[in-house]
Amino acid sequence: IVMTQSPLFLSVTPGEPASISCRSSQSLLHSNGYNYLDWYLQKPGQAPQLLIYLVSNRASGVPDRFSGSGSGTDFTLKISSVMPEDIGVYYCLQGRQTPRTFGPGTKLDMK
Amino acid sequence: EVQLEQSGAEVKRPGSTVKVSCKVSGYPFSDYYMNWVFQAPGKGLDLMGYIDPQDGEAIYAEKFQGKVTLTADTSRNIAYLEVSDLTSDDTGVYFCVKLSSGNDAFDVWGQGTLVTVSS
Repeated sequence: IVMTQSPLFLSVTPGEPASISCRSSQSLLHSNGYNYLDWYLQKPGQAPQLLIYLVSNRASGVPDRFSGSGSGTDFTLKISSVMPEDIGVYYCLQGRQTPRTFGPGTKLDMK
Repeated sequence: EVQLEQSGAEVKRPGSTVKVSCKVSGYPFSDYYMNWVFQAPGKGLDLMGYIDPQDGEAIYAEKFQGKVTLTADTSRNIAYLEVSDLTSDDTGVYFCVKLSSGNDAFDVWGQGTLVTVSS
C-alpha cells in the first residue's frame, strides 16, 4: 500500500491551526470496523513518537490539540493551535497490510 | 518503564556486515513483535521487517529481503538486526520499535543507531 501526504512542507504561525492530509492507495478499513492508520511525529534529532493510533485515538500524553479523522483511503491530522514544540516531521503509517508503510512525511516549522 | 536501548554508532567498510542490538526492559519481551525501521540521512522512514521473539519467525519487507536478518535472544531480552554486504545506501539510522498489540501501533521506539558505511 502506497501512502501519500500533503503538503510536504507546512509553515505555521504559532497559535494558528494546521492540517495534514494522508491518502492510501488501498482502503485501510478492516472487516472489524477499524481503519489501521496511525500518525507519528519525529522531532529534530529524536526518534519518532506515536501521536494518534487507529485514526483518531490520541496516544498517552498527547495534548488534545491534536486530532485525527478519516476513513477508507483519506485521513487528516489536525492541530488546533500550533505550539513551538510541535515542529518536526509528521508521518502517517498504514497497518492494514504487511509490510506496514509510511507516508513520505510532512515537515512542519514555525513562521 | 518500558525501554528499548540500542547499541552505539558504527562505522563500517563497504562489503562488511553490521549487527545492531536492541535491549528490552519493562515488558515481557516475547509477548510483542519487534520491528526495525531504517532512515537514510534526511529521508523518511522505511519499515525493514519484524520478528516474533516467541518463535523467532521474521518477516521482511521485499526491498530488504536477503539484505537483513532479524533475530531475538529471549534469554537476554535482546533483538538483533544484521545488515550484510554494506554499501553507502545502507548509511543511516536504524530504529527498533515495539508493536503494541492493544492499539496495533508502534508505541515505543529505541533511540536509533547510526551506521555509517565508508571506505
